[in-house]
Amino acid sequence: KAGVTQTPRYLIKTRGQQVTLSCSPISGHRSVSWYQQTPGQGLQFLFEYFSETQRNKGNFPGRFSGRQFSNSRSEMNVSTLELGDSALYLCASSLAGGATDTQYFGPGTRLTVL
Amino acid sequence: TQLLEQSPQFLSIQEGENLTVYCNSSSVFSSLQWYRQEPGEGPVLLVTVVTGGEVKKLKRLTFQFGDARKDSSLHITAAQPGDTGLYLCAGRTGNQFYFGTGTSLTVIP
Repeated sequence: KAGVTQTPRYLIKTRGQQVTLSCSPISGHRSVSWYQQTPGQGLQFLFEYFSETQRNKGNFPGRFSGRQFSNSRSEMNVSTLELGDSALYLCASSLAGGATDTQYFGPGTRLTVL
Repeated sequence: TQLLEQSPQFLSIQEGENLTVYCNSSSVFSSLQWYRQEPGEGPVLLVTVVTGGEVKKLKRLTFQFGDARKDSSLHITAAQPGDTGLYLCAGRTGNQFYFGTGTSLTVIP
């Protein structure tokens, strides 16, 4: 069974640009969550999608948005990039996002904002 | 503000030594998970504990959930170089997981 895949793996952008990251969950998983990981703040929850609907949202500005498609694949978009957006962006999939479901993480997309 | 504080932040030990990593919070969690993350990869789930006072053993790793479900510990016996990595605790409250600050462990052969 293929794991969670994320594309691209590395990305370099400049301030003010926008970026779209993609996540393909494990087959059969309907919940996809996105996290931002930085050395200073650690791993922080961005949002969760289930059946094409955003179900939970973390404490990030509106520049961070996402969506989920009917095949459960998800995209995350960051507009008007800032230097502080440089981070490893991780997505995780689970069967239904339930309390006892296991989250499987992808390898992440390393975003650098210059 | 971090809901979960881990200590120590960095740990470097010799192969064969024992160690304990702590995960503390003032919040109550419905469940708590421990992950290990290696460079260039996403975190991998090690264990989930859901009951206050619960102890789970996974080979040389022992996980404990505090009685009040606010804290947890991870104990590794006879550490091996393969245990090297970033250890993260994550507490669930409501529909969201909150991750700890992380403990970077290096086991020297």
